[in-house]
Amino acid sequence: GNSVTQMEGPVTLSEEAFLTINCTYTATGYPSLFWYVQYPGEGLQLLLKATKADDKGSNKGFEATYRKETTSFHLEKGSVQVSDSAVYFCALMGTSGYSGGSNYKLTFGKGTLLTVNP
Amino acid sequence: DTGVSQDPRHKITKRGQNVTFRCDPISEHNRLYWYRQTLGQGPEFLTYFQNEAQLEKSRLLSDRFSAERPKGSFSTLEIQRTEQGDSAMYLCASSLSFEQGQETQYFGPGTRLLVL
Repeated sequence: GNSVTQMEGPVTLSEEAFLTINCTYTATGYPSLFWYVQYPGEGLQLLLKATKADDKGSNKGFEATYRKETTSFHLEKGSVQVSDSAVYFCALMGTSGYSGGSNYKLTFGKGTLLTVNP
Repeated sequence: DTGVSQDPRHKITKRGQNVTFRCDPISEHNRLYWYRQTLGQGPEFLTYFQNEAQLEKSRLLSDRFSAERPKGSFSTLEIQRTEQGDSAMYLCASSLSFEQGQETQYFGPGTRLLVL
């Protein structure tokens, strides 16, 4: 079945540091890949997505590139801010290969807690 | 605000009681999903509706759980005879059907359930 493995947290950085959160996946077919963010006390928000190999998703200074050869979708940001402190979830939406239809459920990683200190 | 809303935001109940949660999706979205998130874990899929039809249920959804989406609008998730293991955050998401791989699920704030 589909699965997502992401970097264990927590991650603690100083403001303006470089961020990488690793994410690898297992899936059949050609899944779409997502990063969601959960700020304290709030619901999940879509941060960025990529729907095919070599696509780069980007938003709010965050980027991730869909690498099919390494089955990875690592999240990066060049200079983090205190306001980026949150839990980050990598997720995939798979495809059911033989039927060609979409598998609409998201499969999530366990989440990575990021704390950015001033 | 036209986002996904959930009610209540918090629920404390005693073991053996029944609880019901409500989700109101984004108005034009025809797909609705329920997920469950326990502490330190990512959300796990429970069930999915397209319009009023419930098209898929996870094996996580035991016989004590039932979900409905009458008229293809809001949805309810009921848990009967709650157990302490049901304590979790219950998340609802909605999306608009789109070409394969292009749709995005938008999440509500969740209902946090504590079973004593």
